[in-house]
Amino acid sequence: DAGVTQSPTHLIKTRGQHVTLRCSPISGHKSVSWYQQVLGQGPQFIFQYYEKEERGRGNFPDRFSARQFPNYSSELNVNALLLGDSALYLCASSFSTSGGTDTQYFGPGTRLTVL
Amino acid sequence: DQQVKQNSPSLSVQEGRISILNCDYTNSMFDYFLWYKKYPAEGPTFLISISSIKDKNEDGRFTVFLNKSAKHLSLHIVPSQPGDSAVYFCAASNRGSTLGRLYFGRGTQLTVWP
Repeated sequence: DAGVTQSPTHLIKTRGQHVTLRCSPISGHKSVSWYQQVLGQGPQFIFQYYEKEERGRGNFPDRFSARQFPNYSSELNVNALLLGDSALYLCASSFSTSGGTDTQYFGPGTRLTVL
Repeated sequence: DQQVKQNSPSLSVQEGRISILNCDYTNSMFDYFLWYKKYPAEGPTFLISISSIKDKNEDGRFTVFLNKSAKHLSLHIVPSQPGDSAVYFCAASNRGSTLGRLYFGRGTQLTVWP
């Protein structure tokens, strides 16, 4: 079975630009979460979507937005990029958001570099 | 606020011996705990989890112990193998919340040498 897939693998942008990252969850998983990991730290929660609705948002500015599509894939958008947005962006999928199987399975990530 | 803490940034262990990775948490609402392993240039890989109704969970060479009164958990790897060399993240969540957010520690770099 295919795991969580993310595209692109690497991305280089300049300050002020916009970026879109994509994620496809494990088949049958309806929840997608996004995390940001900067060097030397653990992943930080950005968003969670379940059944195409936003369930929660971490402490990130409004420049960050996301959406989930009918096939449960998801996009993370970041506007007006800053140097500090350089990080590994991780997508995780799970069957649900609470109860049942809560384990989140991660994709390989997208490495974003902002110059 | 760092609600999950891994105070040892690195650990070095000889092959065949036991590796013990530690994790502390501050939020008493956390009731589900997970360990992930991460190799460079890859996403975190789920390793093992434990619910707060248990104090031990075992899966092959990996055992997680939970001490709720101390808000402490540990991952034991026995015997350690060179392929276990990776960064290990401890994560916690509140399953009673409708938001399945994971809180991660900063990670511990485990090096297993021959």
